[in-house]
Amino acid sequence: GESVGLHLPTLSVQEGDNSIINCAYSNSASDYFIWYKQESGKGPQFIIDIRSNMDKRQGQRVTVLLNKTVKHLSLQIAATQPGDSAVYFCAENIGGNQFYFGTGTSLTVIP
Amino acid sequence: DGGITQSPKYLFRKEGQNVTLSCEQNLNHDAMYWYRQDPGQGLRLIYYSQIVNDFQKGDIAEGYSVSREKKESFPLTVTSAQKNPTAFYLCASSLQGLATEAFFGQGTRLTVV
Repeated sequence: GESVGLHLPTLSVQEGDNSIINCAYSNSASDYFIWYKQESGKGPQFIIDIRSNMDKRQGQRVTVLLNKTVKHLSLQIAATQPGDSAVYFCAENIGGNQFYFGTGTSLTVIP
Repeated sequence: DGGITQSPKYLFRKEGQNVTLSCEQNLNHDAMYWYRQDPGQGLRLIYYSQIVNDFQKGDIAEGYSVSREKKESFPLTVTSAQKNPTAFYLCASSLQGLATEAFFGQGTRLTVV
């Protein structure tokens, strides 16, 4: 899992393989979740989101899975490419105006 | 071209000085946010604003101040009371402020010299 203040977990994958990035969230009342991608020196970019009434959502090459029982979120990237190398953050919204961000996972794609 | 703009990209400050980071958005978003990011760490909320002339403290507001005089603008002042201001600062905005995607600026890297 992830928590604010820890050093970044890292994940290395071969180009073409699938990547799975995990995130544990803290608040059972959280009702909306977002995955962001952050490249070095840039602001985070939206990848995909999911609401708590769903357990799976698919985008282009990405899938987000939500397990509310164990408060776990995952991001699956299919056929990982070098351009996918970045830090990935999950964010939870508990229905207010604050997003709580995880520490992030650094993904490195090996050509 | 719609978006959220932060300036400057790099900022250097002497100890004891206040500095102001700019954040402007033309997305017609109601809510705006300031986050701080330290190396190898996640984002921590400094302040957020849901509407003009109103803002709330986040988790690490001490040593910072904000204003929201216009919908488009949410400047952040890093005061001399902030003991460890060197960090990457990110501004974000969202349409409703409730359970919708937040769009981020490209960040300002502040260094105390």
